[in-house]
Amino acid sequence: GAVVSQHPSWVICKSGTSVKIECRSLDFQATTMFWYRQFPKQSLMLMATSNEGSKATYEQGVEKDKFLINHASLTLSTLTVTSAHPEDSSFYICSATAYNSPLHFGNGTRLTVT
Amino acid sequence: GNSVTQMEGPVTLSEEAFLTINCTYTATGYPSLFWYVQYPGEGLQLLLKATKADDKGSNKGFEATYRKETTSFHLEKGSVQVSDSAVYFCALTAWGSQGNLIFGKGTKLSVKP
Repeated sequence: GAVVSQHPSWVICKSGTSVKIECRSLDFQATTMFWYRQFPKQSLMLMATSNEGSKATYEQGVEKDKFLINHASLTLSTLTVTSAHPEDSSFYICSATAYNSPLHFGNGTRLTVT
Repeated sequence: GNSVTQMEGPVTLSEEAFLTINCTYTATGYPSLFWYVQYPGEGLQLLLKATKADDKGSNKGFEATYRKETTSFHLEKGSVQVSDSAVYFCALTAWGSQGNLIFGKGTKLSVKP
């Protein structure tokens, strides 16, 4: 079946550096990808919706200059956490779908900022 | 606004026990309701869904019925197995917005042999 690959699965970075997380749809063309964030013992919160070839739509309260999303192709979207700080430490999850197709999730990325 | 409330875990059961994980929601209009499961080390997977009132979603022995009158979508399974150990998320989407899932906090289930 369709698979979404997310990389890396975990990353540790120093405060002030940037981190890029990749989300790939492996056997289908994803017209739309979504990025979520999950705090410990909290719900997954939608951060942004990314349509191939256009700018991402961010949810209220999500800083678009801090969380840069690029959806350059139908199989790849990236989330870059810029100038990361310890409060950005979290679990980030992507999902992908094609028109009228089910939503498929990546395995998530655990980001720790020291 | 829309929200999902599900019972807090962790839930620990013996094999073959009956499982209920409660989920209630608040939504405007007619949301679609979902249960997602996350097995250890894996991504979220859709377990079952229901798109309108009184629909029953079912998969792998799990069932949930969309109850509009009680705004609930409780997950049940008659006899759990060790392999059902996972985190279960109740979620909803407003009509026409598939990706904008609103999740509950998740309930961790551990099934002991």
